[in-house]
Amino acid sequence: NAGVTQTPKFRILKIGQSMTLQCAQDMNHNYMYWYRQDPGMGLKLIYYSVGAGITDKGEVPNGYNVSRSTTEDFPLRLELAAPSQTSVYFCASSNGGRQPQHFGDGTRLSIL
Amino acid sequence: QQQVKQSPQSLIVQKGGISIINCAYENTAFDYFPWYQQFPGKGPALLIAIRPDVSEKKEGRFTISFNKSAKQFSLHIMDSQPGDSATYFCAARGTGGTSYGKLTFGQGTILTVHP
Repeated sequence: NAGVTQTPKFRILKIGQSMTLQCAQDMNHNYMYWYRQDPGMGLKLIYYSVGAGITDKGEVPNGYNVSRSTTEDFPLRLELAAPSQTSVYFCASSNGGRQPQHFGDGTRLSIL
Repeated sequence: QQQVKQSPQSLIVQKGGISIINCAYENTAFDYFPWYQQFPGKGPALLIAIRPDVSEKKEGRFTISFNKSAKQFSLHIMDSQPGDSATYFCAARGTGGTSYGKLTFGQGTILTVHP
């Protein structure tokens, strides 16, 4: 019963490097989300997708890009890593925009 | 920008005690108020949720109280157990415009239940 799977679990990047955080779900959910979680700040929505080929910005999209070529996968791309992007990133999915969101276990990213 | 404010930031309770976490929101365009529980190294998981036409919802030891006029809602954990030690987030789901269907989260409360 995989649910939402995120890889990698941990990563350290140097300033200016790029990387892709992977997210896959096996529940056939049409909605997928990316959040970042910073201490004392709760979760902030970065990008979301309502289905394959459709993405839209959330509250804090700057410095990130996403794509949604399949229902299952929703990768998050950091092009030029900055220290401000040090955070824990969570991917979530839901069966419709008004259904409960199911979260992965996160990717802890440090940028030095 | 719609906001949800959560307090306290951290809470220590003895086993068997009552844990109370409070949230307040600043916009009426919300239609669903979930609480999420997060254990270290894991993602948030839906714990319990309430709609604004209901003043209270109870599931086992967990109860949400909702005060629509005050724009406040709270989570009560009765008979708190060490296994309840986790971070708790309240959230509110938007109903209109660009916020439709999106969750706005509170800042989180770290609950520690001592044996």
